[in-house]
Amino acid sequence: NAGVTQTPKFQVLKTGQSMTLQCAQDMNHEYMSWYRQDPGMGLRLIHYSVGAGITDQGEVPNGYNVSRSTTEDFPLRLLSAAPSQTSVYFCASRRTGLEGYTFGSGTRLTVV
Amino acid sequence: DAKTTQPPSMDCAEGRAANLPCNHSTISGNEYVYWYRQIHSQGPQYIIHGLKNNETNEMASLIITEDRKSSTLILPHATLRDTAVYYCIVRVPNAGNNRKLIWGLGTSLAVNP
Repeated sequence: NAGVTQTPKFQVLKTGQSMTLQCAQDMNHEYMSWYRQDPGMGLRLIHYSVGAGITDQGEVPNGYNVSRSTTEDFPLRLLSAAPSQTSVYFCASRRTGLEGYTFGSGTRLTVV
Repeated sequence: DAKTTQPPSMDCAEGRAANLPCNHSTISGNEYVYWYRQIHSQGPQYIIHGLKNNETNEMASLIITEDRKSSTLILPHATLRDTAVYYCIVRVPNAGNNRKLIWGLGTSLAVNP
């Protein structure tokens, strides 16, 4: 099993550009989430999904869209990148609501 | 979900037990305690979780007080590779709304040779 795979690992965007952060898991996990991590702050939930076709907003959803067309994939779209979205983004998945999350290795995004 | 309080940093000698405390005095009856760690620049790693009984796995032990207002993560024989930030989180499994889940800044554990 590869676990949770995030691509790309690094990305630099110009303000106003759009892009999609990819997240894929091969563990048949129902629950998937996107977090961002900024210096001096804890992980903050952006969006999450409890199964294919079901998504909901987390703590900081503005400026981001998600979809969950398959169990395996949970892409995060930045609609119009802003410098405030410079951060490290982590995707995570878990099989049930009780289990702990398996995290990907992160995408380091810089918006200039 | 309840908020947790952890010391910002701790030191431990290699080979000794590392005991990481967490206060969750507002925990409710159906909230579980979860522990994760994050080694520099990597994604967080799940360690262990529990409701009210003490738990042990291959990585660590979790001791939860009888009133459930605090818990301690124990790494029985700390190694240099255990140097990381440790997060204590409480949440309700299967809760549809995870917006209020608070990760906090955790405890930065330094294991010294």
